[in-house]
Amino acid sequence: SAVISQKPSRDICQRGTSLTIQCQVDSQVTMMFWYRQQPGQSLTLIATANQGSEATYESGFVIDKFPISRPNLTFSTLTVSNMSPEDSSIYLCSLGNFRGTEAFFGQGTRLTVV
Amino acid sequence: DAKTTQPPSMDCAEGRAANLPCNHSTISGNEYVYWYRQIHSQGPQYIIHGLKNNETNEMASLIITEDRKSSTLILPHATLRDTAVYYCIVRTYNTDKLIFGTGTRLQVFP
Repeated sequence: SAVISQKPSRDICQRGTSLTIQCQVDSQVTMMFWYRQQPGQSLTLIATANQGSEATYESGFVIDKFPISRPNLTFSTLTVSNMSPEDSSIYLCSLGNFRGTEAFFGQGTRLTVV
Repeated sequence: DAKTTQPPSMDCAEGRAANLPCNHSTISGNEYVYWYRQIHSQGPQYIIHGLKNNETNEMASLIITEDRKSSTLILPHATLRDTAVYYCIVRTYNTDKLIFGTGTRLQVFP
């Protein structure tokens, strides 16, 4: 299995600021994804992080609000920009179909915007 | 949008079998049924998946109806540690992204 390190594990941020979340994997992976889980809700896919090109965003999510980088096959970042209290959520990175096994998830970043 | 529907919550006594149903009436021929669970807002954990045959692993069994429009996840001897939200997901095998529905919150009681 892959080891996923997601940082920070939690943060409390002021509205109007931005937070960058990092996802580091111990092996090269083709597919990486970012999810959001609002309080008491299920997981919602934000985007697919593509190595060497722009991320592919799901409906309702835009690059200006959630810029994503994927500089290599082991690392990705998600930035939550110009935050408001509605952005308070858990954000998770995920690996897709790693070496034929099923999707792995990081432990998540619990973000609170005040 | 998610292609599955699940009951919002279920209870199960410890040591008994937990049977979690899932409806996926619009499933296509090349789509698999996957189950994940999430404990206390940790990252989701893979449980099992299947196409049309019943499947069993060390965690659970998956029973898929012959018409593939529904399935049941079976935890044969539920423990308190199985208390979690269980997600049933329909996914095309070569598509890695997962679209989560609302899931079933399973509460295992002593």
